[in-house]
Amino acid sequence: TQLLEQSPQFLSIQEGENLTVYCNSSSVFSSLQWYRQEPGEGPVLLVTVVTGGEVKKLKRLTFQFGDARKDSSLHITAAQPGDTGLYLCAGEEETSGSRLTFGEGTQLTVNP
Amino acid sequence: NAGVTQTPKFQVLKTGQSMTLQCAQDMNHNSMYWYRQDPGMGLRLIYYSASEGTTDKGEVPNGYNVSRLNKREFSLRLESAAPSQTSVYFCASSVTGQGIYEQYFGPGTRLTVT
Repeated sequence: TQLLEQSPQFLSIQEGENLTVYCNSSSVFSSLQWYRQEPGEGPVLLVTVVTGGEVKKLKRLTFQFGDARKDSSLHITAAQPGDTGLYLCAGEEETSGSRLTFGEGTQLTVNP
Repeated sequence: NAGVTQTPKFQVLKTGQSMTLQCAQDMNHNSMYWYRQDPGMGLRLIYYSASEGTTDKGEVPNGYNVSRLNKREFSLRLESAAPSQTSVYFCASSVTGQGIYEQYFGPGTRLTVT
C-alpha cells in the first residue's frame, strides 16, 4: 500500500513554464519533506514543512503543507533546465519514530 | 566532512553469491537507514537503526541482514543474491531536530544480479 501518492509521475515542460507537483495521502504526517535526486546521485533534502498550512519558499520553489497535514504541493515558477530531476516527497507519521515513507517520485524534465 | 559514504559504487553478482554493502557517516547521527530504489517504486525501506545497538525491519527486509557496527557504520548483507535484488541501494542517516528526521543520503550502490 502506497501511503504517499505523487502526481504527476512524469512532467516534461519548456524553460520558463510554471508547474506544480502534488503529494497526497490519507494519513496525517507530523512533518513532510521534499527531496530532489539527480541521475546517479542520492536524494538531497530541499525543505521540511511541519505546521498545517505552512508555506516555505526556496528561490523559485514554493512548498505548501495542507491544513490537515495529509498533503503537500511543490510549485516551481519559471522552470529552468537545472530544475530537471526526480522530486520525492516523504512523510513522517506521528507513530513511525525515525522512519519516513516516500512517494514514488515525479520525474521533471525542463527543456531549453 | 564527507557526509554519507557507500562502497562499492557498482557491483555485479551471480545468483547465489553473497556480498556486503558498506555505509559510513561522519555527522554523528544516531539513525541510519538502508533503502532500495526501483523504477516507478520510489524508495523502499529495507532496514533501519534508530540508534547504535538497535536494528529494525522496514518495508522489504526479506533476503537481507544488517549490522550496526558502531555509531558511524551500518552495513547491509545479501547472503544469497537473487535477480529480484537487482536495484540501486541507498544508505541514509538522520539528525533529529524537534522530532524531525531529515535524512542525508549516500551516492548509492548499483547492484546487478545475473
